[in-house]
Amino acid sequence: DTAVSQTPKYLVTQMGNDKSIKCEQNLGHDTMYWYKQDSKKFLKIMFSYNNKELIINETVPNRFSPKSPDKAHLNLHINSLELGDSAVYFCASSHLGVRPYGYTFGSGTRLTVV
Amino acid sequence: DAKTTQPTSMDCAEGRAANLPCNHSTISGNEYVYWYRQIHSQGPQYIIHGLKNNETNEMASLIITEDRKSSTLILPHATLRDTAVYYCITFNSGGSNYKLTFGKGTLLTVNP
Repeated sequence: DTAVSQTPKYLVTQMGNDKSIKCEQNLGHDTMYWYKQDSKKFLKIMFSYNNKELIINETVPNRFSPKSPDKAHLNLHINSLELGDSAVYFCASSHLGVRPYGYTFGSGTRLTVV
Repeated sequence: DAKTTQPTSMDCAEGRAANLPCNHSTISGNEYVYWYRQIHSQGPQYIIHGLKNNETNEMASLIITEDRKSSTLILPHATLRDTAVYYCITFNSGGSNYKLTFGKGTLLTVNP
């Protein structure tokens, strides 16, 4: 069983479109995250939800809207896609406040905007 | 947040030990040192973590200096599959620094 699974793995879309990326974790964690890794390979945290409540919201355009229907799922919806949104998006999960393993990451969604 | 400093890249011969250094001179008392790695095109993978004692698991060993200002990740017998970017991160999941923040990491290349 995959611990943190993301769909789709690849996404190619045109500028201006709206798309969603889904993430699910079966680890029983209470916190989920979205990270963006751009072409320069920097991994940056975007959002985090703890028990369906937003706890981290970095400086991200409001075209990006995360949604957490329950603590096992965190989806990322992106409106009016731009070329600069092309990146690999990673979902992760953890138990907030509990060690030892930090975060568990998914395998990523490669988004290409053309 | 404590900042970490790592070399940009390192090389290692297959079968030899890889020693990856990290400086974290501003680490606070309740922050752990975590190491993750990212193999090309994959999600980051947890390797090991420690507070002040040396730690060892099936993947690696972590040596933390007594003053906790630096640490070294040791891969005892590097293989080609260990080629990856290795991130040293100071982190306290229960404290104010609960965001896992990645720096630039060290690109370790294991050569045949």
